[in-house]
Amino acid sequence: GAVVSQHPSRVICKSGTSVKIECRSLDFQATTMFWYRQFPKQSLMLMATSNEGSKATYEQGVEKDKFLINHASLTLSTLTVTSAHPEDSSFYICSARKAGGMGTDTQYFGPGTRLTVL
Amino acid sequence: DQQVKQNSPSLSVQEGRISILNCDYTNSMFDYFLWYKKYPAEGPTFLISISSIKDKNEDGRFTVFLNKSAKHLSLHIVPSQPGDSAVYFCAASEEGGGNTPLVFGKGTRLSVIA
Repeated sequence: GAVVSQHPSRVICKSGTSVKIECRSLDFQATTMFWYRQFPKQSLMLMATSNEGSKATYEQGVEKDKFLINHASLTLSTLTVTSAHPEDSSFYICSARKAGGMGTDTQYFGPGTRLTVL
Repeated sequence: DQQVKQNSPSLSVQEGRISILNCDYTNSMFDYFLWYKKYPAEGPTFLISISSIKDKNEDGRFTVFLNKSAKHLSLHIVPSQPGDSAVYFCAASEEGGGNTPLVFGKGTRLSVIA
């Protein structure tokens, strides 16, 4: 398999502060990374697609000015939740795409980051 | 409109028996399908995948079957073990996953009873 790490695994912050979450592919290069959000007992909701060296593509309804995504290298993408509010509290998960042969790319997921905004 | 559907939110199976998790899709452009397993407060773990040129892929206790005409796939786990208890997500993508994101179903919670 492939390893994707996320840091931090858990963060508690005050309302109005900004929080940065890092996603790293440890043993492969990922030109594309994805950021998901999961609410309790719900499926994964894609927030944005992060492409190395270019601007992220955000899904409808996701505020790009609130959720800043930077994909500075082939192994690192960051998600910054700016001016966080309690409703931003959630489980954020990143994934990195590893190219496979014959068009069989697979996404590998990080362990997730639990954000709690007080 | 949900493009990937997992109509059973939960499933209970006796240890040692077969677990069958089902998934239906509506987008005929999907050509690559994956199953992920997820424990609470963890990221999904890739289990097994299948491309549309195949109708079956097997990896140990896990087998995925694809019926393109019915737009249906299923994951079989044999024999089921208590450690298999988790939420299983079916996912699909176009172009073999190329530049398109995965589309996930809502998941099925599997409980394997000892």
